[in-house]
Amino acid sequence: NAGVTQTPKFQVLKTGQSMTLQCAQDMNHEYMSWYRQDPGMGLRLIHYSVGAGITDQGEVPNGYNVSRSTTEDFPLRLLSAAPSQTSVYFCASSYPPGSPESNYGYTFGSGTRLTVV
Amino acid sequence: AQSVTQLDSQVPVFEEAPVELRCNYSSSVSVYLFWYVQYPNQGLQLLLKYLSGSTLVKGINGFEAEFNKSQTSFHLRKPSVHISDTAEYFCAVSSFSNDYKLSFGAGTTVTVRA
Repeated sequence: NAGVTQTPKFQVLKTGQSMTLQCAQDMNHEYMSWYRQDPGMGLRLIHYSVGAGITDQGEVPNGYNVSRSTTEDFPLRLLSAAPSQTSVYFCASSYPPGSPESNYGYTFGSGTRLTVV
Repeated sequence: AQSVTQLDSQVPVFEEAPVELRCNYSSSVSVYLFWYVQYPNQGLQLLLKYLSGSTLVKGINGFEAEFNKSQTSFHLRKPSVHISDTAEYFCAVSSFSNDYKLSFGAGTTVTVRA
C-alpha cells in the first residue's frame, strides 16, 4: 500500500547513544517533515524538506540532523540521545501546495516511539 | 508567525450526543486550516480542510467545521458521535508565507461513552 513508512516502531536508547529514524514514502511527494509529539504539546516541527537536497530547521531542531538525498527518503538522526528526546516521532509528506496533485494535506506515518533512559 | 489554540484539552461525551471542539488561530496573513484525527496508537489522518470559498466545510465520518475569519476560529462539530469517534483531534494551520509548514494545536481528547 502506498504511504509513509517509518522504522523502527519502538526503540529504547541509552543516554549518549546515536541512532537514525527511517522514513520512506512512495507517493513521489516533494515535501517531507519530521514532528515530535509530546503530551499536552501537540506536534512540533523538527526539520522539513521541500525537495531532494533541500532541508531546513523547524521549531525544535536541536539535537537532530536530517538529510534528503532522494525524494523517497528522509532519515532523522539523533546525534547523542538525551532523556528529553523521549517522544513519539512522526514523519509526514505531501505534494507541493498549489501543485495540480496537491490537496494541501499531509500523509503521516504510524510513528516511532522512542524512549531514552 | 502563526499559532493555534485548542480551547479544550479533554471532552467527554455520551454516544449519539453532539460534540464541538474549539480552535482559534493567530496569523497576520491568509491561512489554510485543518483538522486531523489520531486514533489510539496510530498516525494522524486528515478529517477536513479549509482552503478558500465556503466557510462551512464537510469532512469524513460526518464531521464538519466552520471558518470564521472575524473571530479567527475553526470549530469542529459532529451532530451525533459514536464510540468509534474516541480519539485525539488536532487543529492545524499553514500559510504560503510560512512555506506551508503545519503548526498544530495541543490537541483535544474526545472520549465517547455509552
